[in-house]
Amino acid sequence: EDKVVQSPLSLVVHEGDTVTLNCSYEVTNFRSLLWYKQEKKAPTFLFMLTSSGIEKKSGRLSSILDKKELFSILNITATQTGDSAIYLCAVFFFPIYNQGGKLIFGQGTELSVKP
Amino acid sequence: DTEVTQTPKHLVMGMTNKKSLKCEQHMGHRAMYWYKQKAKKPPELMFVYSYEKLSINESVPSRFSPECPNSSLLNLHLHALQPEDSALYLCASSQESGVGYNSPLHFGNGTRLTVT
Repeated sequence: EDKVVQSPLSLVVHEGDTVTLNCSYEVTNFRSLLWYKQEKKAPTFLFMLTSSGIEKKSGRLSSILDKKELFSILNITATQTGDSAIYLCAVFFFPIYNQGGKLIFGQGTELSVKP
Repeated sequence: DTEVTQTPKHLVMGMTNKKSLKCEQHMGHRAMYWYKQKAKKPPELMFVYSYEKLSINESVPSRFSPECPNSSLLNLHLHALQPEDSALYLCASSQESGVGYNSPLHFGNGTRLTVT
């Protein structure tokens, strides 16, 4: 069964801490792994990863993919209260090759950053 | 605000009503998606349209009927829903959904649906 698993499911830290969120997956015909941040409404896109070992960075956030171990991490350094959100990992894949691709999500990690 | 626009933002409907959710994007994307999200849960895929054709239906009950009238619009027609169908319905689009492409999905803000 195709699946995406995130850990931890929830995390409480203090401002200034560094956090690492984990995502593992098992799908057929993997294409890409994506990270989203969700606050009240729409998930907002953070990163898309397709190749192993290449770190993507945006400010204090960074992410890397390991296609051999089927794993990705999202790092947030010097956390701020505005980082409080649910972080969703999702994988785009093709259940049947050359037919429709789809994106499925992990359960999410709920991050709470305390002042 | 996102570039994927969903209307209405909120909808309350009875179990015998018929209503429609609308989604619009003007980014030239050729793939569009419907997701359902219950509280404290991740979005669950319902349908995928690619080039206005339905490419994936995740065994969604027939009381949900999608429609893609053109490349910019996606509708979800609702009929005889149950209270457990109450959820946030998210629309998303991406440049393509085919094997040769990699493009992220961009989500609308969703329609918060309550079935009474």
